[in-house]
Amino acid sequence: RKEVEQDPGPFNVPEGATVAFNCTYSNSASQSFFWYRQDCRKEPKLLMSVYSSGNEDGRFTAQLNRASQYISLLIRDSKLSDSATYLCVVNIRGDYKLSFGAGTTVTVRA
Amino acid sequence: DTAVSQTPKYLVTQMGNDKSIKCEQNLGHDTMYWYKQDSKKFLKIMFSYNNKELIINETVPNRFSPKSPDKAHLNLHINSLELGDSAVYFCASSETSGSYNEQFFGPGTRLTVL
Repeated sequence: RKEVEQDPGPFNVPEGATVAFNCTYSNSASQSFFWYRQDCRKEPKLLMSVYSSGNEDGRFTAQLNRASQYISLLIRDSKLSDSATYLCVVNIRGDYKLSFGAGTTVTVRA
Repeated sequence: DTAVSQTPKYLVTQMGNDKSIKCEQNLGHDTMYWYKQDSKKFLKIMFSYNNKELIINETVPNRFSPKSPDKAHLNLHINSLELGDSAVYFCASSETSGSYNEQFFGPGTRLTVL
């Protein structure tokens, strides 16, 4: 089983739609969770950290479900500029190493 | 004003050659990383240095040798390049080595081995 697994998509959604996707992680001892965004042929950039109680940043909402070992990202009112690959990132072993999922591709169309 | 920079951006070379990639960060961070992103898009950690000290050394062929002359620089030297080394190599840095720290990535070096 991979340490971090994501639905690769692609999720093709119209502008203004809501899109949501999950990521599962293998180690229940994992402590830190993030969503990074990677545009085509660019470097990954932090989108948001994911906190135990769930958190929101504008149109983006992240949730953590420790019991089922998954995190989710919801994007409301999608914009064309949201088209990207979203990487789920987890600190798997409790040390300072981060494990990256292969990414979920989102394409927002006009 | 670039936070994390890498050179070169593109590298095309023949099998068997030796090449180096350089990375510099001007964020004052203590920790730097090398990642490899293959064609399947998985980003895998290769090495990490904290204040010039190696703290992560994943299962990477010993043809790959990192070097950190100071905490703002982390270079990657690759000997005897193989076809399977073709990938995008990203350098990153974070304030400290804690896993809760945001990592800032460089623009990547796209290595093609022919």
